Amino acid sequence: DIVMTQTPLSSPVTLGQPASISCRSSQSLVYSDGNTYLSWLQQRPGQPPRLLIYQISNRFSGVPDRFSGSGAGTDFTLKISRVEAEDVGVYYCMQATQFPLTFGQGTKLEIE
Amino acid sequence: EVQLLESGGGLAQPGGSLRLSCAASGFTFSNYAMNWVRQAPGKGLEWVSRISGGGYSSNYTDSVKGRFTITRDNSKNTLYLQMSSLRAEDTAIYYCAKQDQMMDWGQGTLVTVSS
Repeated sequence: DIVMTQTPLSSPVTLGQPASISCRSSQSLVYSDGNTYLSWLQQRPGQPPRLLIYQISNRFSGVPDRFSGSGAGTDFTLKISRVEAEDVGVYYCMQATQFPLTFGQGTKLEIE
Repeated sequence: EVQLLESGGGLAQPGGSLRLSCAASGFTFSNYAMNWVRQAPGKGLEWVSRISGGGYSSNYTDSVKGRFTITRDNSKNTLYLQMSSLRAEDTAIYYCAKQDQMMDWGQGTLVTVSS
């Protein structure tokens, strides 16, 4: 199984400041079709998860442009350019390159 | 607008069975693979199972193989998860999610396995 490791597990941030979350996979996420199926999801308190970013850097419909994804191979990053109050929650990376699909442990974003 | 509505959760005894449903609308259901993902209380996300758009292929996480069965009825735009031989560790909110990159999620249905 591909293990997804996120750092940090908790991230206190100040409103208006940037935030960054890293995700490392135990093996390359490049699929045989050349695409890399690495996604980022947000789960606000009491809500179901919501897709933010797919295939490393593609923002899903309705996702603000303050969210961006980058990386390649086994190392990936989610960045929030300026944190807003509504960004509080847990962020997960997820790989859909190989079954079983696997998630990172989650990173809790809190406002300082 | 994509809508996914899970149902069928509840209290089950260890060794018992439940069938979850996920009613889909707002997209051409048969064109998309569908997934079940669960979240134990206070824990992270765990992928459970996936079925192809036509329903001909499926995958499972090891811990549910032989106990859970994923199916779909494309004429009813509905996804199912038949759960049997339930264990306490199956207690979780179960979400259905559209497509392997989890583009849309339902609100979830809570399954509690306890005597």
